Amino acid sequence: DAGITQSPRHKVTETGTPVTLRCHQTENHRYMYWYRQDPGHGLRLIHYSYGVKDTDKGEVSDGYSVSRSKTEDFLLTLESATSSQTSVYFCAISEATSGRYEQYFGPGTRLTVT
Amino acid sequence: GENVEQHPSTLSVQEGDSAVIKCTYSDSASNYFPWYKQELGKRPQLIIDIRSNVGEKKDQRIAVTLNKTAKHFSLHITETQPEDSAVYFCAAYIFSGTYKYIFGTGTRLKVLA
Repeated sequence: DAGITQSPRHKVTETGTPVTLRCHQTENHRYMYWYRQDPGHGLRLIHYSYGVKDTDKGEVSDGYSVSRSKTEDFLLTLESATSSQTSVYFCAISEATSGRYEQYFGPGTRLTVT
Repeated sequence: GENVEQHPSTLSVQEGDSAVIKCTYSDSASNYFPWYKQELGKRPQLIIDIRSNVGEKKDQRIAVTLNKTAKHFSLHITETQPEDSAVYFCAAYIFSGTYKYIFGTGTRLKVLA
């Protein structure tokens, strides 16, 4: 597996509380992505980053924000968690340049909002 | 908007038979198409990919074909084994100033012993 870790791996939180998920890579890849995975929906892109402090929205970005202050770290924040944000969250990395398009996933974080 | 459709959503085959999963994409500028295998409780793992300048690629029992004119690509697994049981995802790689991937909704493959 590529050098990608996510923390925490499991979290239970209450509605209305803020939550931050962390993705850390040791591959020095330029691109980092956050996806959520729900039954019947596959992998949906939340936000992604194409460099330090460079981020953009994906298809399901409402209720989420991100930050990338270092190449190796990409944070996903739920400002005020809702039950609809109960999901498995995957981080992924890609070099995405020079013909190296492969994307690799982290181990995932299972988030439950009660 | 950008979209990838994947069929079927579930597929059951007898051990030793072949399995085929099909995907269609909407963005004609897409030039890279990976396939991922996800076992229960695990992360998606890249198993094979194809680029737009290639029509077919094989790796042992798995192969991917691409038809750029029709904008569809397929995963073929031959001589299926119980360990092939998993969820498979296709994706299309899109460049619109920055790079991102659009995923299909997945196919649950069951190989019956």
